[in-house]
Amino acid sequence: GAGVSQSPRYKVAKRGQDVALRCDPISGHVSLFWYQQALGQGPEFLTYFQNEAQLDKSGLPSDRFFAERPEGSVSTLKIQRTQQEDSAVYLCASGSFRDRDSYEQYFGPGTRLTVT
Amino acid sequence: GNSVTQMEGPVTLSEEAFLTINCTYTATGYPSLFWYVQYPGEGLQLLLKATKADDKGSNKGFEATYRKETTSFHLEKGSVQVSDSAVYFCALRTGTASKLTFGTGTRLQVTL
Repeated sequence: GAGVSQSPRYKVAKRGQDVALRCDPISGHVSLFWYQQALGQGPEFLTYFQNEAQLDKSGLPSDRFFAERPEGSVSTLKIQRTQQEDSAVYLCASGSFRDRDSYEQYFGPGTRLTVT
Repeated sequence: GNSVTQMEGPVTLSEEAFLTINCTYTATGYPSLFWYVQYPGEGLQLLLKATKADDKGSNKGFEATYRKETTSFHLEKGSVQVSDSAVYFCALRTGTASKLTFGTGTRLQVTL
């Protein structure tokens, strides 16, 4: 079956532009996470959805960052008025119980955002 | 809060050498521990995991043992191959369907 897909894979934005990054999770996965990975660093948590409910947005770095998942499937991460420090790879992961005791997150390939 | 510390890279080894990548953690509660791998041009993949103390996770010849007394989860492989060249991330999770906390990653380069 298809894995997690993200689009676009690469995005170049001029400083001050708004961007929208899309995540298509694995079909049927209830949980969806966004992470930000700066160059040479590990991924850092941004936000978490369970179905359409955004249960944790404690990792969003500023009010310029906004995420939604209106129908509990596809999610969009929006960054308004992009700044150079927003340059990073944005990773989406969806999660499901593989069996009764085993929960796993599956990662997409990421969107590399470069702000010039 | 939760944090993961792993050894800095790059680690450069000859093929068939023994690999150890150190990982220690700080967590509230009882975390599950993970190693993820990122091959060049690909997304993060789960390599192995352990969910409780003294558990050993293993996959593709890699192993790691959950050591609660030393808060460690070191990754080992007895004989590395060129195809193992990648970036390896140690991570933890407290709670089942909750966020992962990652280390900064260790780049492994294996040469012939």
